[in-house]
Amino acid sequence: GAGVSQSPSNKVTEKGKDVELRCDPISGHTALYWYRQSLGQGLEFLIYFQGNSAPDKSGLPSDRFSAERTGGSVSTLTIQRTQQEDSAVYLCASSLQGAPETQYFGPGTRLLVL
Amino acid sequence: GESVGLHLPTLSVQEGDNSIINCAYSNSASDYFIWYKQESGKGPQFIIDIRSNMDKRQGQRVTVLLNKTVKHLSLQIAATQPGDSAVYFCAENRGGATNKLIFGTGTLLAVQP
Repeated sequence: GAGVSQSPSNKVTEKGKDVELRCDPISGHTALYWYRQSLGQGLEFLIYFQGNSAPDKSGLPSDRFSAERTGGSVSTLTIQRTQQEDSAVYLCASSLQGAPETQYFGPGTRLLVL
Repeated sequence: GESVGLHLPTLSVQEGDNSIINCAYSNSASDYFIWYKQESGKGPQFIIDIRSNMDKRQGQRVTVLLNKTVKHLSLQIAATQPGDSAVYFCAENRGGATNKLIFGTGTLLAVQP
């Protein structure tokens, strides 16, 4: 595909359950970012992967949040023991070099925790 | 804390008019700025960017102005069209080792036919 893809597009879960969100970046992009967007708000940085370097996890809101990037491509964001305040749109972006150049965003995963 | 903010949360314009969306930033060390457009149900889409060594950059129907003296960024859209209706975000990169973007809260642009 030509762009960043994310799955699922929508996820409804019950409080306390774990969820996994997937991101497929643009082929060849070495940098991958996760953001969270609450309703009517801007984007909140969560985590950043660049090549084989240690990820920048400074934006993760709690230890219930974790992310992996396997083989330098696909990334999974995991939220354990979900809470209602985790409800948001989770956006993934990738960029070619990891510099602050253009980040291309996926359509997002809309997470609703009941 | 330091942040990027927008002056106007909602902007309503008539089709064909020019639109100006403003953004204030507080970190003088920021060296790169981007404007994104986000339509309902979609991810943000890159519009235009500018580096801190420039004060103006033009694209197709869009112009970004950077005033480092007052830490102000604006996006001008010429001959606004209904398809321009969206939320517009400014974002800054503060340089250094991190490449994460700090986003403002967004401005909703509503184009009236």
